[in-house]
Amino acid sequence: EIVLTQSPATLSLSPGERATLSCRASQSVSGYLAWYQQKPGQAPRLLIYDASNRATGIPARFSGSGSGTDFTLTINSLEPEDFAVYYCQQRSNWPITFGQGTRLEIK
Amino acid sequence: EVQLVESGGGLVQPGSSLKVSCAASGFTLDDYAMHWVRQAPGKGPEWVSGISWNSGTIGYADSVKGRFTVSRDNAKNSLYLQMSSLRVEDTALYYCAKDNYFRAWGQGTLVTVSS
Repeated sequence: EIVLTQSPATLSLSPGERATLSCRASQSVSGYLAWYQQKPGQAPRLLIYDASNRATGIPARFSGSGSGTDFTLTINSLEPEDFAVYYCQQRSNWPITFGQGTRLEIK
Repeated sequence: EVQLVESGGGLVQPGSSLKVSCAASGFTLDDYAMHWVRQAPGKGPEWVSGISWNSGTIGYADSVKGRFTVSRDNAKNSLYLQMSSLRVEDTALYYCAKDNYFRAWGQGTLVTVSS
């Protein structure tokens, strides 16, 4: 099973700042990595797939990068609605696995 | 509009069985793999099971292997998860999700396993 480790666990920033979230895989997942955003009481929402492709309707301030074992989600100029929990997920090998999440909170 | 609607959750005792369903609309189900993902209260998502468009490839998390069975009926636009030998630790909100990246999710159906 591929283990995904996200850091930091919690990130405290102010609106307008840039957020940088990390996801590290225990073995290479090539580019088969996605990022999701989850708000309380809602299902996760796909933001980024194949490491760097924005899903339909996702604003351009969200971007993803990386390959192999190290990946980054960057959110430029944080909006109030961006404060949520973010998960990475790999589909390179079954079982599909998620990271433990990064909570992005308002400073 | 893509819609996924789960149903069939409930309160059951440890060791019992339950079948949850997912009704899909707004897209052609047999064009996509489908998955079940669960989320225990206060925890992150956990992949449970996946099934390819023609049921030719099926996978399970180790935590449910041998106890859960996924199936689909493309003609009825439906996905199913038969759960048996349920444990307290299976308590979660069960979502169905579309495609191998989970591009759409339902609202979930709550399964509570408790005596």
